[in-house]
Amino acid sequence: AQSVSQHNHHVILSEAASLELGCNYSYGGTVNLFWYVQYPGQHLQLLLKYFSGDPLVKGIKGFEAEFIKSKFSFNLRKPSVQWSDTAEYFCAVTNTGGFKTIFGAGTRLFVKA
Amino acid sequence: DTGVSQDPRHKITKRGQNVTFRCDPISEHNRLYWYRQTLGQGPEFLTYFQNEAQLEKSRLLSDRFSAERPKGSFSTLEIQRTEQGDSAMYLCASSLVLQGNYYGYTFGSGTRLTVV
Repeated sequence: AQSVSQHNHHVILSEAASLELGCNYSYGGTVNLFWYVQYPGQHLQLLLKYFSGDPLVKGIKGFEAEFIKSKFSFNLRKPSVQWSDTAEYFCAVTNTGGFKTIFGAGTRLFVKA
Repeated sequence: DTGVSQDPRHKITKRGQNVTFRCDPISEHNRLYWYRQTLGQGPEFLTYFQNEAQLEKSRLLSDRFSAERPKGSFSTLEIQRTEQGDSAMYLCASSLVLQGNYYGYTFGSGTRLTVV
């Protein structure tokens, strides 16, 4: 069955700490991978995406993610978090046609000022 | 605002009533999607349209649910005979797919449905 697993449901960090959010997926065939973010009171927004090529992709606000095909993983990283990164982060995978995306359950990140 | 618009933002209804939600996608986008999100979960796929054609429906979309996208523009999602289990955030998203290239979703703010 197609699925996306996010390792942590809640993460609490202090400002300037490094962040890594785990994501593993189970999906047959070629996939496109995404991280979406939902800031408090706002709608889901695309943070970054991987389609092909360089497995290390960079997104907005200093976020990056690495696709490791052999591990079926697409972990999100940021070297130094800020209070404004407090949000819920969703990993998502879709087939190359893009018609059906499977989302993980989300990770709530709280950054202490 | 050129984003995805959803109306209403909130809806409280009594069990057994019918409700209808509307989504206005980004005008240049040719695909429109409906998702449902419950507390502590990520969005779950319900259905999607390519222009005016509804091309896939999830098993989550029981026969009480119907979605339309007349003329390939806005879309409506109707729930008949609502049940308490229908309480959720209903999300609409749109995307542009050209020659097989897909660029990710733009989500609306959602309609939060509470069935009492």
